[in-house]
Amino acid sequence: QITLKESGPTLVKPTQTLALTCTFSGFSLSTSGVGVGWLRQPPGKALEWLALIYWDGDERYSPSLRTRLTITKDTSRNQVVLTMTNMDPVDTATYFCSRSLGGGNSCYFDHWGQGTLVTVSS
Amino acid sequence: DIVMTQSPDSLAVSLGERATINCKSSQTLLYGSNNKNYLTWYQQKPGQPPKLLIYWASTRESGVPDRFSGSGSGTDFTLTISSLQAEDVAVYYCHQFYSPPWTFGQGTKLEIK
Repeated sequence: QITLKESGPTLVKPTQTLALTCTFSGFSLSTSGVGVGWLRQPPGKALEWLALIYWDGDERYSPSLRTRLTITKDTSRNQVVLTMTNMDPVDTATYFCSRSLGGGNSCYFDHWGQGTLVTVSS
Repeated sequence: DIVMTQSPDSLAVSLGERATINCKSSQTLLYGSNNKNYLTWYQQKPGQPPKLLIYWASTRESGVPDRFSGSGSGTDFTLTISSLQAEDVAVYYCHQFYSPPWTFGQGTKLEIK
């Protein structure tokens, strides 16, 4: 059974750095074709892809947020961490991690965590 | 970026009737070398994460009821629910994974009439 779970702060102040951890089970991030991505969804709005890391360490980022994002993996601990700098109230959203299948420029997300709501407010 | 536009934004269908949701991409999602369309459909119920329904535009994910089907190619795609059930009330999203940044449609809210 594949599971993913997001963890991290629920409230951050503007200009702070957000660090979210995705802890997963039921698959290995050392398997070819597998990745873990982060996506978000502002309240009542659509989904937005943020970043992804593949089994081979290849990292992909949304160009609009590239300068603020870093994604890392710890394969032995089955964890992927996303950091986002300079948080702003517009970054208030539910953040999801998800397993991806594919590689290079093309992958899709087949299993998702429940998500964690992050509010940015002073 | 590839822009994904869904229609309609909301839809009300009677139980047992057919529901059709459309998705149009701003550029082709058909990869010529393998003849596959890089499009998925997700279902999202309130308070839940998205659930993968369809990938490669028409391949049903394991465990998804066969009343859900995907069709289309190139830039125009359709999700069809052949006989609407009460548990199908949700927001549906199309998603392109042809090229990053991977983008989603704005969502279509499906309700019971």
